[in-house]
Amino acid sequence: GIQVEQSPPDLILQEGANSTLRCNFSDSVNNLQWFHQNPWGQLINLFYIPSGTKQNGRLSATTVATERYSLLYISSSQTTDSGVYFCAVLFSGAGSYQLTFGKGTKLSVIP
Amino acid sequence: EAQVTQNPRYLITVTGKKLTVTCSQNMNHEYMSWYRQDPGLGLRQIYYSMNVEVTDKGDVPEGYKVSRKEKRNFPLILESPSPNQTSLYFCASSSEQGQETQYFGPGTRLLVL
Repeated sequence: GIQVEQSPPDLILQEGANSTLRCNFSDSVNNLQWFHQNPWGQLINLFYIPSGTKQNGRLSATTVATERYSLLYISSSQTTDSGVYFCAVLFSGAGSYQLTFGKGTKLSVIP
Repeated sequence: EAQVTQNPRYLITVTGKKLTVTCSQNMNHEYMSWYRQDPGLGLRQIYYSMNVEVTDKGDVPEGYKVSRKEKRNFPLILESPSPNQTSLYFCASSSEQGQETQYFGPGTRLLVL
C-alpha cells in the first residue's frame, strides 16, 4: 500500500513563530488532505489539495504531486494551533478506496 | 448544516458484549468509511463503502462488521469486543468517488474491559 511519512514528528514553537510541516507519499494519489486534530480529538479539515497551492488565513499548503510531497505552512503561530496535524492521501480506483494517514506532526505552541 | 454524526460519543463495555456504533451523514455522500486511531499507529481504515450495499475491507477489518442498507447510515458492529479494540473511532464520508474533501464525525471513544 501507499506509504505516507510526515516530518517532523514533534515541533515546539514560540507563539508568533512560523513553521513548515512536510508530508511525503510513495505513489501517485487521487487526492491529499491536511487535517488538524485538536486537543479534544476532533479532526478538522484544513485543506483538500491534490496539487497546487491554497491559502486560508495564516495557513497555506502546497502539493507537488509529481514529486510526491506536500507542505503545510503555519505563520504567526498561536496557542490555538496546538494539536496534531495529519496528512492523508487517497488512492481510489479498480474497486478500491484507500485513505492512508501519516502518523502526524504534534505541534505545541507555547506563549 | 452538513455534518457526520456518530453515537455514542463515549462507551465503556465488557469483553464479548455486542455493540454498534452508528454513523450518519446528511450530505448525500456515496462514500463512507470507518477508522480507528491508536497512539503511535495513527488512523487506520477499518471498512469502507462506495455505495448502498457495497462494502469492503480496509487495513484492519478483523473483529468488525459493517452494513450499508441506506445511503446516509453506515454502522460499525463489534460482535464480540475485546480489549484490543479499545480505541478512538471515526466515521467519514465524501462524494465524487472520493475526489473531494473527507468529512469526519466527532469520534467515539471506546473502552473494552
